[in-house]
Amino acid sequence: DQQVKQNSPSLSVQEGRISILNCDYTNSMFDYFLWYKKYPAEGPTFLISISSIKDKNEDGRFTVFLNKSAKHLSLHIVPSQPGDSAVYFCAASAVGNQFYFGTGTSLTVIP
Amino acid sequence: DAMVIQNPRYQVTQFGKPVTLSCSQTLNHNVMYWYQQKSSQAPKLLFHYYDKDFNNEADTPDNFQSRRPNTSFCFLDIRSPGLGDAAMYLCATSRVAVRGNEQFFGPGTRLTVL
Repeated sequence: DQQVKQNSPSLSVQEGRISILNCDYTNSMFDYFLWYKKYPAEGPTFLISISSIKDKNEDGRFTVFLNKSAKHLSLHIVPSQPGDSAVYFCAASAVGNQFYFGTGTSLTVIP
Repeated sequence: DAMVIQNPRYQVTQFGKPVTLSCSQTLNHNVMYWYQQKSSQAPKLLFHYYDKDFNNEADTPDNFQSRRPNTSFCFLDIRSPGLGDAAMYLCATSRVAVRGNEQFFGPGTRLTVL
């Protein structure tokens, strides 16, 4: 049973435009969320996180939005750069428990 | 650079032949994790160690075992690999096993079962 879902396997965006990656979850007990970025032949690397007490967290070009009522979060990248091309994983956890990962969205930023 | 290292990067084994994957870390983190990721699927946690305490996920098959002889090293043993065990195996570490602490991943070992 997939508790964290990324329904878009892939996304293509022009360089300079905004990339929006979406993630939905089913477990209302989740209260901490992370985004990881993965390049080919490398392990996932931490990108940005948000706890459920916030609805927005920003770090440079990356912003994560959390809508608890909709059980939805999104990652915005603006402006998108070719180096952002990678697979992005959303992950969620409840207190004291493991992280559950989504299946990933492959982002391609076209120069 | 502090990092998580996995060896080998690619492992080929035969059906039923035991195989061991290794992970080492220079981060001095007290928690180490093993994930299995099959093609187009999410990484799935198999088990983790909090220092020497072993925590097995309820749905992890008995075919999968783990050892952590010291802080730096952790091994994944697959006693009798089946074709369904072909996957990418990711090792990760974190400072503590609570939310809010990001996990640092190794590059993974891709296991092929013939």
